[in-house]
Amino acid sequence: NAGVTQTPKFRVLKTGQSMTLLCAQDMNHEYMYWYRQDPGMGLRLIHYSVGEGTTAKGEVPDGYNVSRLKKQNFLLGLESAAPSQTSVYFCASSYSTDRAYNEQFFGPGTRLTVL
Amino acid sequence: EDKVVQSPLSLVVHEGDTVTLNCSYEVTNFRSLLWYKQEKKAPTFLFMLTSSGIEKKSGRLSSILDKKELFSILNITATQTGDSAVYLCAVGPGQGAQKLVFGQGTRLTINP
Repeated sequence: NAGVTQTPKFRVLKTGQSMTLLCAQDMNHEYMYWYRQDPGMGLRLIHYSVGEGTTAKGEVPDGYNVSRLKKQNFLLGLESAAPSQTSVYFCASSYSTDRAYNEQFFGPGTRLTVL
Repeated sequence: EDKVVQSPLSLVVHEGDTVTLNCSYEVTNFRSLLWYKQEKKAPTFLFMLTSSGIEKKSGRLSSILDKKELFSILNITATQTGDSAVYLCAVGPGQGAQKLVFGQGTRLTINP
């Protein structure tokens, strides 16, 4: 099992350009998440999905869009990149059960720089 | 607004020392508290605590939750250089999508 994979690993954009980050998981997880991590800020939730075809906003959704067309994939899009979106982006996934919470499995991250 | 605060933000100790990392929280409908270790890249799961006063233990690492006082501690005994990492505390504030609210993290450095 590859677990959670992310592409690309690194990317440099100019202000105003667009791009899509791809997250894939092979654990048959229902839930998927996109986070950004900035120095001193911890991880902040951008968007999440509770199943194929559904998405919802997290804590910091502005400037991002997402899609979950297939259960195993969760895409994060930046339509018009801004320097404030320079960050490390992590994708995660987890099971859906009746347990109080389930461990989230994280991908290796994408380092994005917007000039 | 849900909030998770970790302290200290940074800690430098010598190999063999014991360290205690703190995590306090204010969330609605608390369900669980999770600890993660982040070295170079992806955070990796350490513990999940849902009941107050129960200690979770794995080797030299242990954690306890106090739901009355709204905090958790992570202890690491006989520290090794491989324990150097950022330790993240996260709280699950409800059912459904299992969204997590993360603290800022504590950067732990173990010097030989």
